[in-house]
Amino acid sequence: QKEVEQNSGPLSVPEGAIASLNCTYSDRGSQSFFWYRQYSGKSPELIMFIYSNGDKEDGRFTAQLNKASQYVSLLIRDSQPSDSATYLCAVKAGGGNKLTFGTGTQLKVEL
Amino acid sequence: ETGVTQTPRHLVMGMTNKKSLKCEQHLGHNAMYWYKQSAKKPLELMFVYSLEERVENNSVPSRFSPECPNSSHLFLHLHTLQPEDSALYLCASSQAPPDSGNTIYFGEGSWLTVV
Repeated sequence: QKEVEQNSGPLSVPEGAIASLNCTYSDRGSQSFFWYRQYSGKSPELIMFIYSNGDKEDGRFTAQLNKASQYVSLLIRDSQPSDSATYLCAVKAGGGNKLTFGTGTQLKVEL
Repeated sequence: ETGVTQTPRHLVMGMTNKKSLKCEQHLGHNAMYWYKQSAKKPLELMFVYSLEERVENNSVPSRFSPECPNSSHLFLHLHTLQPEDSALYLCASSQAPPDSGNTIYFGEGSWLTVV
């Protein structure tokens, strides 16, 4: 079983729609959760982090965490073509320095 | 400009060559990382240095040898690599540990092709 699982996509949404990206993880001891965006040929950049159950909003982005169900999601409202990228979910257990990444979901926002 | 600089950006090497990847961070962080990114695979953590001490080595073959001379610099020495080692190698830094308040920042990566 993969430690952090994401649908590879591509996920296609029309411009202006809400894009919903999902991630599940296997380690119940995980405490910190991160979403990174990676444009083709570029390095990952942090979009959001969340560590408490519920929703966390930052501009057009909302991260949702449900530790009981072991999933974390990222919603992108009013999707723009510039949001087209691969979105990586990363999970960290309580201690240590190790972030475990999923394979990423490719998002395509179409005009 | 991410604050984490990697050189070279592209490297082609033969299986008998010895080369090094260099990483420098300008963010005042005290932890540095090497990750490997291959197509269709998740980012794989290779090495972690915290306060210049290696704290994690994820069963990486000995043909990869990291070096961290100070908190701002990190090297990955490469020798007798295999074609399957071709990948994007990403350096990153953070305050240790990478908690919710201590973000990991990635460099632009070094594209390695082994021929």
